[in-house]
Amino acid sequence: SSELTQDPAVSVALGQTVRITCQGDSLRNYYANWYQQKPGQAPIFVIYGENNRPSGIPDRFSGSGSENTASLTITGAQAEDEADYYCSSRDSSGNHLMFGGGTKLTVL
Amino acid sequence: EVQLVESGGGLVQPGRSLRLSCAASGFTFDDHAMHWVRQAPGKGLEWVSGISWNSAGIGYADSVKGRFTISRDNVKNSLFLQMNSLRAEDTALYYCVKDRGYIYGIGGGFEHWGQGTLVSVSS
Repeated sequence: SSELTQDPAVSVALGQTVRITCQGDSLRNYYANWYQQKPGQAPIFVIYGENNRPSGIPDRFSGSGSENTASLTITGAQAEDEADYYCSSRDSSGNHLMFGGGTKLTVL
Repeated sequence: EVQLVESGGGLVQPGRSLRLSCAASGFTFDDHAMHWVRQAPGKGLEWVSGISWNSAGIGYADSVKGRFTISRDNVKNSLFLQMNSLRAEDTALYYCVKDRGYIYGIGGGFEHWGQGTLVSVSS
């Protein structure tokens, strides 16, 4: 299918580790990229490829993937990490790009 | 510093047209694919269209194919989106986005985003 599925909401205690997942058939062949979006702001690129962080992204953010699932892990979540997180990838045909529905992360 | 500044949004009636523009600066424009990504109010992100560095590769989401046309001017460092036959469901904030790579369909990543221009389609 040409879809990326994310849990709508996830919560984590301050300082703990949280994993946000993204599922889709295309992820068996293509990497996922990850974006953080805070209210009223444009998205920010946080992870690309196998596990790469753009300049300026803290090393508590990491990515991984297995079979049809990609994951974004935040190790030691901070209050400022509270945001919506989106995955993106190519669709199964390879001709289109697409986003997951987004996961709202709450830091307790 | 990479800057992407969108313009051209506004209120338009269903069935009418609108042309969005994006002025890029702070990077070598013709080294990168570019995209339009939209976000309806309170909703998630939706990829709309992408164009490779030399305009040889172009793609559209099924929801806009046949109605929208993406183009770029590498001399003027500008990206465009011609939107025809607009529908209420096209109402969204439209972001101009710089790709990490030079081919639009590789999925290298949406590296830099503008602040968006709002398109509202309503009678």
